[in-house]
Amino acid sequence: EVQLVESGGDLVQPGGSLRLSCVASGFSFTNYWMSWVRQTPGKGLEWVAIIKQDGSEKYFLDSVKGRFTISRDNAKDSLFLQMSSLRAEDTALYYCARHGYNHALDIWGQGTLVTVSS
Amino acid sequence: DIVMTQSPLSLPVTPGEPASISCRSSQSLLHSVGYNYLEWYLQKPGQSPQLLIYSGSNRASGVPDRFSGSGSGTDFTLKISRVEPEDVGVYYCMHVLQTPYTFGQGTKLAIK
Repeated sequence: EVQLVESGGDLVQPGGSLRLSCVASGFSFTNYWMSWVRQTPGKGLEWVAIIKQDGSEKYFLDSVKGRFTISRDNAKDSLFLQMSSLRAEDTALYYCARHGYNHALDIWGQGTLVTVSS
Repeated sequence: DIVMTQSPLSLPVTPGEPASISCRSSQSLLHSVGYNYLEWYLQKPGQSPQLLIYSGSNRASGVPDRFSGSGSGTDFTLKISRVEPEDVGVYYCMHVLQTPYTFGQGTKLAIK
């Protein structure tokens, strides 16, 4: 079965750090661009970051540039999002997603919840 | 950034009746290779979003043929020919032409 499973979400204080993980199975992870997308009740769905198959290209939402880093370990079929200097507005359900044909997000994980609060 | 605007934001529909959702982008999503980089997603209650339509008009694998996408450039439409109870949820359009990718606000489809 093709699937993505996220983990690492937690309650963290403002200014803190957190690392999210996403493990892929059922497909050749190394062949796909991957993204992180977050969802809040107030702002809906928001794309956060993307990484190329070999990790050579990475792009970020402006509001997370310099604070978030995206990486991957193709040997372990894993995607990561390192988040630092976290703010209340980063509170969201974070999904990892696969970019399939014509870059569409064709596979999504179930999400992992990040709450930034004191 | 490209702004995606959906309408309506709320859509009550009687089962068996058609439904239509509009999505407009602040700049053309037609790439030089000939594709519109516009997708439609459905997020059913309590679930992750799922891909319905990619490249503006192509149904994703397993999507019923009552769903269709049309449009080009800046104006796109998702149509459901006959709404079923399981179609309830929030529909989003999204562009993947250039980063940052952006979503529409979402259209909540409910059964009357």
